[in-house]
Amino acid sequence: AQTVTQSQPEMSVQEAETVTLSCTYDTSESDYYLFWYKQPPSRQMILVIRQEAYKQQNATENRFSVNFQKAAKSFSLKISDSQLGDAAMYFCAYRSADQAGTALIFGKGTTLSVSS
Amino acid sequence: EAQVTQNPRYLITVTGKKLTVTCSQNMNHEYMSWYRQDPGLGLRQIYYSMNVEVTDKGDVPEGYKVSRKEKRNFPLILESPSPNQTSLYFCASSFDSNSPLHFGNGTRLTVT
Repeated sequence: AQTVTQSQPEMSVQEAETVTLSCTYDTSESDYYLFWYKQPPSRQMILVIRQEAYKQQNATENRFSVNFQKAAKSFSLKISDSQLGDAAMYFCAYRSADQAGTALIFGKGTTLSVSS
Repeated sequence: EAQVTQNPRYLITVTGKKLTVTCSQNMNHEYMSWYRQDPGLGLRQIYYSMNVEVTDKGDVPEGYKVSRKEKRNFPLILESPSPNQTSLYFCASSFDSNSPLHFGNGTRLTVT
């Protein structure tokens, strides 16, 4: 079974600085998707970024980028120029592309605090 | 506006009293699912549906039922709620099983 591990329960960063959130996963599949979701205090789940395993190029969305290392099964999220609004819990998630209907498998989350 | 709508947002009930949490999406998505979120455990899938009249168990289906009579609606039913079902519940949908999930705003359920 696939697993997703986020080893940092909490992280903190100062405004305008850069922070990297770690995520590793375990799978025997070759085709899959990886996601980062943000959950602010409003508890809404917001998709931050998506990576397709067969694409070697790292995904980027404005200030958010990933470092996808397929061989190492690592998928870290870098937030540049951090803003107060980035404070939230961040979840890394995996979804198989091989098996229809499979769940999005989540890590346990990293709480990010941003200070001014 | 494209969205997934869950109701209610908050619900307090007593053990054994049947309840339904509704979920509706207006994006014509085929795939819908329910998750529960518990501290330290992340989100875990309860049930999912790949199309009308097609539902399957997720990782933690015990104590829950679902139905998918129409494409847009996917209610979660707790026939006899128990305190261990106190949790934050999310409904989600996607165009298909390989597309990103769109989440509802969550339902905070407390069973006393």
